[in-house]
Amino acid sequence: DAKTTQPNSMESNEEEPVHLPCNHSTISGTDYIHWYRQLPSQGPEYVIHGLTSNVNNRMASLAIAEDRKSSTLILHRATLRDAAVYYCILRRNTGNQFYFGTGTSLTVIP
Amino acid sequence: KAGVTQTPRYLIKTRGQQVTLSCSPISGHRSVSWYQQTPGQGLQFLFEYFSETQRNKGNFPGRFSGRQFSNSRSEMNVSTLELGDSALYLCASSLVPSPGSPLHFGNGTRLTVT
Repeated sequence: DAKTTQPNSMESNEEEPVHLPCNHSTISGTDYIHWYRQLPSQGPEYVIHGLTSNVNNRMASLAIAEDRKSSTLILHRATLRDAAVYYCILRRNTGNQFYFGTGTSLTVIP
Repeated sequence: KAGVTQTPRYLIKTRGQQVTLSCSPISGHRSVSWYQQTPGQGLQFLFEYFSETQRNKGNFPGRFSGRQFSNSRSEMNVSTLELGDSALYLCASSLVPSPGSPLHFGNGTRLTVT
């Protein structure tokens, strides 16, 4: 089974960049890499997703390794509102299965 | 545009009872999926519906079931509740059931089984 591995927690200073890593060494060629974040008492919020190429949107950037066995979510300037649990998820094309990591709890220090 | 709406927000049930949870997707979204979130197991996929048909199912017992209506609204049912079914149940919608389509989650239904 595809599986993602993330650090349990990370800290960042406010207004500094944050790099959140995710390992997915058993990824298959058609698996999409998604990132979501979750605040307490709320459902996960979509951040970004990609297949092979690096992606940018207004919230973040996603850097995907050339062999696709790892990826990094980049928050360019962390704010206090970015403090959340970040989940790296693989979504498989065949059977459309979902594989979740345990999430990284990001603390932003003012 | 209204987000994904889940009702009720909180539920307390007794072992052996059954429960039905409701999910209204974002307007225009035709795919709905359900997840269970617990402190021990994290996020786990339950099932996914598109055009009133179940497309995929996670590794949960048959006590967990769901359905989707013609207006894309979805319900999930858990019968013969067990203490271990206590969890946050999340619903997500997307335009289509493609792995390249972002998921939009509701805020969940917190189920407590006593």
